[in-house]
Order: sequence, then C-alpha cells, then structure tokens
Amino acid sequence: GQNIDQPTEMTATEGAIVQINCTYQTSGFNGLFWYQQHAGEAPTFLSYNVLDGLEEKGRFSSFLSRSKGYSYLLLKELQMKDSASYLCAVMDSNYQLIWGAGTKLIIKP
Amino acid sequence: GAVVSQHPSWVICKSGTSVKIECRSLDFQATTMFWYRQFPKQSLMLMATSNEGSKATYEQGVEKDKFLINHASLTLSTLTVTSAHPEDSSFYICSAHPDRESQPQHFGDGTRLSIL
Repeated sequence: GQNIDQPTEMTATEGAIVQINCTYQTSGFNGLFWYQQHAGEAPTFLSYNVLDGLEEKGRFSSFLSRSKGYSYLLLKELQMKDSASYLCAVMDSNYQLIWGAGTKLIIKP
Repeated sequence: GAVVSQHPSWVICKSGTSVKIECRSLDFQATTMFWYRQFPKQSLMLMATSNEGSKATYEQGVEKDKFLINHASLTLSTLTVTSAHPEDSSFYICSAHPDRESQPQHFGDGTRLSIL
C-alpha cells in the first residue's frame, strides 16, 4: 500500500530552527510537495522536490532522498505566524497526490 | 493571484437542502480535479477525483448519491451535497493541477458548510 509518515505534532521556540521529517512508500514517484495549512484555511504550496538534494526558498528549505524515501522541511528563524500544520504529499505514477496526515507545528515565544 | 477559484466560501442552510460548490481553474486546464473534506483539527480527506467528461472516482466510504460531482468542462467541477444534514457540516476544499504534469496542486480557498 501507499503510505506517508510524518510526526503528528512538534513544538519549537520563536527564532529557532525546526525540521519536520516525512517518509514515504508509494507506487511510483513524480515529486514530493510540502504545503502549509493554517487553521480554517486551505493549504498553500511551499515547496516541490523531484531530484535528490536541498531546495532553499527564503527561511524554508526542503530536502529529498529518493533512495531512502525521505524528505524534510526545515524552517529557520521561526516566527509566530509559522504556527500551522505542514503537509507532506507525494505524487505517484498516476500523478495523484498521496497525503500525509500533517504535522502541527506550535511556536512558543 | 489565485489559480483555483472555489465558490461559495461560506454556506449556512437548513437540513434537507442541497448545496452546490463550484471549483474553477482560472489559468490552466485540468482534466482531473480533486474534492477534499476536512473536519476540525483533522487532516485532509480525499473524497473523490473528478474526471472531465466521465464519472467521478469516489473514495471508499463516500456516498456517490450523496455527493454528486459534475466535471462538465476542463476548467469547472461542481460538488453537490444532496439533502444535507448536520453531520455533513465540514470544510470542503477542491484542488487541481495542470494535466499530466508534476506541478503542485493548487487549492481553492475552501467552502465552509454549516447545516442547521
């Protein structure tokens, strides 16, 4: 079966760095996506990885290792507004997204 | 600007009413669109995959006769919640991405449905 695993909840301090991990097992691979979802709102796109390595975009970076079925989202210089759920999703061979359950990130002052 | 438009944003109606939600891709064609439901503090749950010109594919446990999906064009899919009841109250979100491309799914802003 297809499976995406990520921690349910994480807590970090304002100004610090946090890494949210995601492991996956899917039928085929056409890229891995990270989305941010604030409570009561639709998800918004953060990053896309299809090749191994690190993609940096401002305070956010995303890493992928296809051989290990592993990705992480790195958030630097955390701000209170970063409190949200972070969703990991893999696009399978049929170009459909398989979603993780999301990681709720709590930022404390 | 938004690439997927979802309408309406909020619906409050009486039990037994049918509610239609529209999802439009604004600047690309999407043969396939997706409908999700999300209850408070829970993750996204895929309800069905909407296919242009053919029947939708429903996930296990989702009632086809309850949640009618029509994908009449390459830019529009509609979800109709028929004879809605309070337990149907939820946040409904659609998404789409350009056909057969490894691009992110773009989400509509969601529709918050409250059945009294």
